[in-house]
Amino acid sequence: DIQMTQSPSTLSASVRDRVTITCRASQSIRSWLAWYQQQPGKAPKLLIYEASSLESGVPSRFSGSGSGTEFTLTISSLQPDDFATYYCQQYSSYPYTFGQGTKLEIK
Amino acid sequence: QAQLVHSGAELKNPGASVKLSCKASGFTFNTYALHWVRQAPGQGFEWMGGINAGNGDTKSSQKFQGRVTLTRDTSASTAYMELSSMRSEDTALYYCARLTPGRPFDHWGQGIPVTVSS
Repeated sequence: DIQMTQSPSTLSASVRDRVTITCRASQSIRSWLAWYQQQPGKAPKLLIYEASSLESGVPSRFSGSGSGTEFTLTISSLQPDDFATYYCQQYSSYPYTFGQGTKLEIK
Repeated sequence: QAQLVHSGAELKNPGASVKLSCKASGFTFNTYALHWVRQAPGQGFEWMGGINAGNGDTKSSQKFQGRVTLTRDTSASTAYMELSSMRSEDTALYYCARLTPGRPFDHWGQGIPVTVSS
């Protein structure tokens, strides 16, 4: 199975900050990587697919980059709604696997 | 717009089975795959398996093989996941999610809380 490792596990930041979350795959997944946002008590919401493509309706302050084994999610200017938990997921091969999550907290 | 609606919460005894449903609307059911992902309390996500709603082909995680059965009813636009021989570690929130080839999960159900306890 492909292991997905996110860092950091927790990130404290303020509104209007720029933040970056990293996701590493245990083997190459080319660009088959997605990022999701999960608010407490809600289902995940797709933000980014194919490592860098913005899902329709997602604000442009979210961006993704990377390929192979190293990926990043960047939020350019944090808004109050952005404080949530973020997960990466590889869909290169079965079993699909997720990172353990990064909780973005208000500083 | 696309929507996935689950059946209600379940409480099961250890050793029992549960059959969860996921009703699709707002899109052509048999042109997508429906997958099941679970999230244990306070934990991350675990992919369980999925079914091609068009031809019924299934794929499931080795971890659950022998315990999970995936089916669908195209006339009802509904996918089902049955998990047998349940144990306390199966207590989780279970989601179905829509998959298009080459794309990740773009729509999710609201989640079904399943508790396994005597």
